[in-house]
Amino acid sequence: NAGVTQTPKFQVLKTGQSMTLQCAQDMNHNSMYWYRQDPGMGLRLIYYSASEGTTDKGEVPNGYNVSRLNKREFSLRLESAAPSQTSVYFCASSEAWDRYQHFGDGTRLSIL
Amino acid sequence: GDSVTQMEGPVTLSEEAFLTINCTYTATGYPSLFWYVQYPGEGLQLLLKATKADDKGSNKGFEATYRKETTSFHLEKGSVQVSDSAVYFCALSDLSSNTGKLIFGQGTTLQVKP
Repeated sequence: NAGVTQTPKFQVLKTGQSMTLQCAQDMNHNSMYWYRQDPGMGLRLIYYSASEGTTDKGEVPNGYNVSRLNKREFSLRLESAAPSQTSVYFCASSEAWDRYQHFGDGTRLSIL
Repeated sequence: GDSVTQMEGPVTLSEEAFLTINCTYTATGYPSLFWYVQYPGEGLQLLLKATKADDKGSNKGFEATYRKETTSFHLEKGSVQVSDSAVYFCALSDLSSNTGKLIFGQGTTLQVKP
């Protein structure tokens, strides 16, 4: 039972390059989330998808786009990467509101 | 808006010491409260949760009680082990939207020395 799978695990980009982070869950959850984790700042929500076909901005959406491709997959795209986007990115999913979220192992992204 | 505040870290303890990590929250309504743990190089895992006032969540020797009167959800363990070294996050469910969003504290790093 894989749970939430993120790819890639590590990536180095140059400023201005684009990249898509992939996330897939096999638990038939309706809701999916993208967070970034920076030292001393906890987790900040970038975008979320409450259900298939919907996406909404979180706390820090600037510089990112998302696609809820189907119920299983929720991707995060950086169109023009900036050094300020160097971070660890986590994808999560949950069955419904008030249920706990399941997290992937993260993608460590460095932008030079 | 809703928020979660955790005690500053890192917290350094010797093995078998008693652990308390403080968490207080601000919220309208009655959110569910969670503790997540993140081991080095891994994602977050749910440690325990409580869904209403006076509920006690427990798992792996850790406990936390949902205290509405003090708006707190402090994490405790009677005897920590080296393997408990990790980052601990307190979180609450965002009831302003029916989307399952969580609001996280900034995390507290625990280091347990043998």
